[in-house]
Amino acid sequence: DAGVIQSPRHEVTEMGQEVTLRCKPISGHNSLFWYRQTMMRGLELLIYFNNNVPIDDSGMPEDRFSAKMPNASFSTLKIQPSEPRDSAVYFCASSLAGHQNTEAFFGQGTRLTVV
Amino acid sequence: AQKVTQAQTEISVVEKEDVTLDCVYETRDTTYYLFWYKQPPSGELVFLIRRNSFDEQNEISGRYSWNFQKSTSSFNFTITASQVVDSAVYFCALSEESGGGADGLTFGKGTHLIIQP
Repeated sequence: DAGVIQSPRHEVTEMGQEVTLRCKPISGHNSLFWYRQTMMRGLELLIYFNNNVPIDDSGMPEDRFSAKMPNASFSTLKIQPSEPRDSAVYFCASSLAGHQNTEAFFGQGTRLTVV
Repeated sequence: AQKVTQAQTEISVVEKEDVTLDCVYETRDTTYYLFWYKQPPSGELVFLIRRNSFDEQNEISGRYSWNFQKSTSSFNFTITASQVVDSAVYFCALSEESGGGADGLTFGKGTHLIIQP
């Protein structure tokens, strides 16, 4: 299995621009998570989905952030408009929830720089 | 609310020394899961171990061992005979009920471990 795949690996954008981060979870996993890592705040859970349905988005910092999961094999995290303080590494993770639940497997992350 | 505390921000030891990374957690649930992840300089997050709240048996995997004590709400991680390749940031994490499979992880701030040759 290729693992969780995130794209792009690096993104540099200007303040005010729209940014879209993409994630392909491990095939067969039914839970998907978006995390953000910064020096100041560490690793924070932004939002998670179970069976493509958003369950908890209380970690999403502002209305500028939105996430979708149109199907079991794809999710996006969008920031519009982006601001310098959004600069961070964004991780996507997936797992199998239920009777045979597994730990979360992480993608390699997207390093976002907003200038 | 759940919380994970890793009081050691950075630890530096010489290769071959043993080192213990501390983790203290808070949760109101009786069913929960504890994890350790490793983040090497390359940046990815690597799963090391998961324990559920009903299993306090210590675990050993090669040079790695974990000590889970519910009485002190701690889940400490020991590396025996450390090696330079162990240098990384180590995160302790907590998930309530679903084992990290359905409700996300609360991470500690991490401990940066430096192994000097």
